[in-house]
Formats: sequence, structure tokens, C-alpha cells
Amino acid sequence: QVHLVESGGGVVQPGKSLRLSCAASGFTFRGFAMHWVRQAPGKGLEWVASVSYDGKNENYAESVKGRFTISRDNSNNTLYLQMSSLRTEDTAVFYCGRDAGDQGYVDNWGQGTLLIVSS
Amino acid sequence: DIQMTQSPSTLSASIGDRVTITCRASQNINKWLTWYQQKPGKAPRLLIYRASSLETWIPSRFSGSASGTEFTLTISSLQPDDYATYYCQQYHSYPYTFGQGTNIDIK
Repeated sequence: QVHLVESGGGVVQPGKSLRLSCAASGFTFRGFAMHWVRQAPGKGLEWVASVSYDGKNENYAESVKGRFTISRDNSNNTLYLQMSSLRTEDTAVFYCGRDAGDQGYVDNWGQGTLLIVSS
Repeated sequence: DIQMTQSPSTLSASIGDRVTITCRASQNINKWLTWYQQKPGKAPRLLIYRASSLETWIPSRFSGSASGTEFTLTISSLQPDDYATYYCQQYHSYPYTFGQGTNIDIK
């Protein structure tokens, strides 16, 4: 079955960079668009970024545009989120999600990885 | 950006109650709407897509409907496993946006 495992979260100082990874298995990764969604502590869900199945098209929330880059390695079934110029307000659990066949919504989610941005 | 206004923010209900959550889009989204359930410390779970299509393995007590820019999630008879927070999300256009969430707790 579909399995998504995020990693790379941790504690980082404001202004620093970090890369999150999402290892995918149980499906043909190269055939699906992928998403990152985050959730600040005690808050709701916020869509962050999406990438097409082939990595050629990317979309970002305004709050991360220019600072975050979504990418994928279809040969290694891995999704990435490169984050730079991190801010305290980026503190959140980051979830990766598989798109439901280029539909635009997530049908399978990872368990999430926690990023804390703090000095 | 498309704003999703979800109500109520909290809802107290008893087992067996019929529960309704509403989500209103700030513009036409052509039924490109999903509903998710989330329990504390867990990832969201897809319940409904395209406003009214039930995801596989989701109990039939969950249903979704649409009327213009207003969308409704209904739980016909609340079960103990249903105490959770529910979110709507539009995927009509980027940036995709979520409603603020509705927490269902025990009455």
C-alpha cells in the first residue's frame, strides 16, 4: 500500500536552511504529483507547495515563495522541500502527500516531520 | 486567493447525533472540494473529494453536498470514532486553501 515517510525536521535558527525529504513506496511514484502541507502547533492546515509528476511544474504558497523549493527524484522515489531564510512562523509539522492522480488533492499522507525555528 | 470559510469552529454532539459542517468558498470552485478528518497527533485522512464522492473505505454515514459556493459535510449518526477535527479544502486553483477547521467534541 501507499507509504510516505517524511524526515529531516528538527530545530534550526532563524535565517538558516533545511531540507525535508519524503520517501515514497507502494505506488509508482513517477506517475503522481506530490504536495507539502504544514500545520503550525495548535493551528489548521496550510498548503505549502506542489510539484507535477515529472517535476517540471511547481506551485507555492505566497508565504514561502522565493524561500522554499519543492523537487523530486523519481529514480529514488523521493520528494524534497528545500527551505531557506527560515522564520519562526515556519515552525510546523510538515506533511507530504500524494496527489490523487493529478486531481489536485491529497489522497495519502505521511506521518509528518516537525520543524522548529527558534534561536 | 480563494477564501474558505468553515463553520462552526467547534461543535458539541452526542453519539447518534446528525452533524453538519459548512464550508463556503469566496468564489465559484466548481465542486473542486475535499473534506479531511484529523485526529490529534495524526495526519489528515481523506473523506470526500469532488464535493460529494466518498473515498474508498470511508463509512457511508459520511456524505458531502454542494449548492453553489456552499458545501456541507454531514455525519448521519455520530460514532465514537468520529470525534476529531474536520477541514474542507478547495483545489480549484492555486494557492490551494483550507477552511479553519471544525472540532467535534463530546457533548
